[in-house]
Amino acid sequence: GENVEQHPSTLSVQEGDSAVIKCTYSDSASNYFPWYKQELGKGPQLIIDIRSNVGEKKDQRIAVTLNKTAKHFSLHITETQPEDSAVYFCAASVAGNQFYFGTGTSLTVIP
Amino acid sequence: EAQVTQNPRYLITVTGKKLTVTCSQNMNHEYMSWYRQDPGLGLRQIYYSMNVEVTDKGDVPEGYKVSRKEKRNFPLILESPSPNQTSLYFCASSSISLAGALRGDTQYFGPGTRLTVL
Repeated sequence: GENVEQHPSTLSVQEGDSAVIKCTYSDSASNYFPWYKQELGKGPQLIIDIRSNVGEKKDQRIAVTLNKTAKHFSLHITETQPEDSAVYFCAASVAGNQFYFGTGTSLTVIP
Repeated sequence: EAQVTQNPRYLITVTGKKLTVTCSQNMNHEYMSWYRQDPGLGLRQIYYSMNVEVTDKGDVPEGYKVSRKEKRNFPLILESPSPNQTSLYFCASSSISLAGALRGDTQYFGPGTRLTVL
């Protein structure tokens, strides 16, 4: 099956700096890559996703890049704010059927 | 309000006592799924369903059963729970808006069920 690795496991940044979280996947058939944010005591919430026919996608301060050749994708958060502090998960899926998640990154934004 | 609900939110039980965790969504979504979340392991998919009467195993299906008799409900059944099934469980649902290779859509997660098996 698919194997998704996520790094780093913890990340601390100063407010206003950028944060980058990286994931790699093993199955070249994976073609849908969502990113989720999980706040304490809540279920994960989708923040951005990308499909394999696109190399980059941006939504305000959040962007995701995908390198199919290298089988890795990254989440970029610019101008971080304290409310960005949470656990972030990447995932990979083949056509939206079975999903494989990374182990999560705990992001702390220091005011 | 569009939402995924799970019940119960917290459950403490003993080894071998059958239990069911219910999941319901009010968004008319075709796709529903169950995950378990354990420290250091992220979320792992247990079962998923593409539509009524269609279910498939995820990455960690052993010890679990599911059914999809109605579109809105997707209960998770533990016939004989064991301590290694102590975990935080999430149900999720999504529409299937695209066909073929580009399919993949936003999953909406429930609030979670914290299960402890003694």
